Amino acid sequence: GAVVSQHPSWVICKSGTSVKIECRSLDFQATTMFWYRQFPKQSLMLMATSNEGSKATYEQGVEKDKFLINHASLTLSTLTVTSAHPEDSSFYICSAGRARVPYNEQFFGPGTRLTVL
Amino acid sequence: AQSVAQPEDQVNVAEGNPLTVKCTYSVSGNPYLFWYVQYPNRGLQFLLKYITGDNLVKGSYGFEAEFNKSQTSFHLKKPSALVSDSALYFCAANPRGATNKLIFGTGTLLAVQP
Repeated sequence: GAVVSQHPSWVICKSGTSVKIECRSLDFQATTMFWYRQFPKQSLMLMATSNEGSKATYEQGVEKDKFLINHASLTLSTLTVTSAHPEDSSFYICSAGRARVPYNEQFFGPGTRLTVL
Repeated sequence: AQSVAQPEDQVNVAEGNPLTVKCTYSVSGNPYLFWYVQYPNRGLQFLLKYITGDNLVKGSYGFEAEFNKSQTSFHLKKPSALVSDSALYFCAANPRGATNKLIFGTGTLLAVQP
């Protein structure tokens, strides 16, 4: 159990276009979903935290108008990179939190490789 | 600022030898501690966690980690390394009371030579 999927696994797009990445918890309801960004040979940088039905909370320095997050249900969150530019090229990883005592476990998706030409 | 440190960018070990990947944390209170492994172009896979109790935590694939409160460390260990253990390893901490938020270390690349 506790499987998280991401779609697509990789995407190549032209500069100026928008790209949507889906994150789904397949066999559990996620109380919270997280979006991370990872640059080559670097750690994961938390971009935003989202709860179902409410606005996402963005980390400092992350442009909320650039990275739109929608958390429509307890099993689906989407990240849309608007007007993508080459500097947005990165590996995007989502995770889904499942309520547990004492700690809400976090399960990670396989990641999406975005390349902006 | 709260942080997790992994002082070694890379650890090299021969197959069959014991391995240690170091992690120290600077997080207030008594954080929950985690180790994750990442293979190329893949997401993170959970290895083990420390919540409370025994300082030696056993996890997946024969890995274990030792929690040391006085040294604020949570080193990952394995008695006998396999070539297939070669991957990127991340230590992470969750400050208690901070919901799910994880603070990640910078990662350590483990290279196991045959």
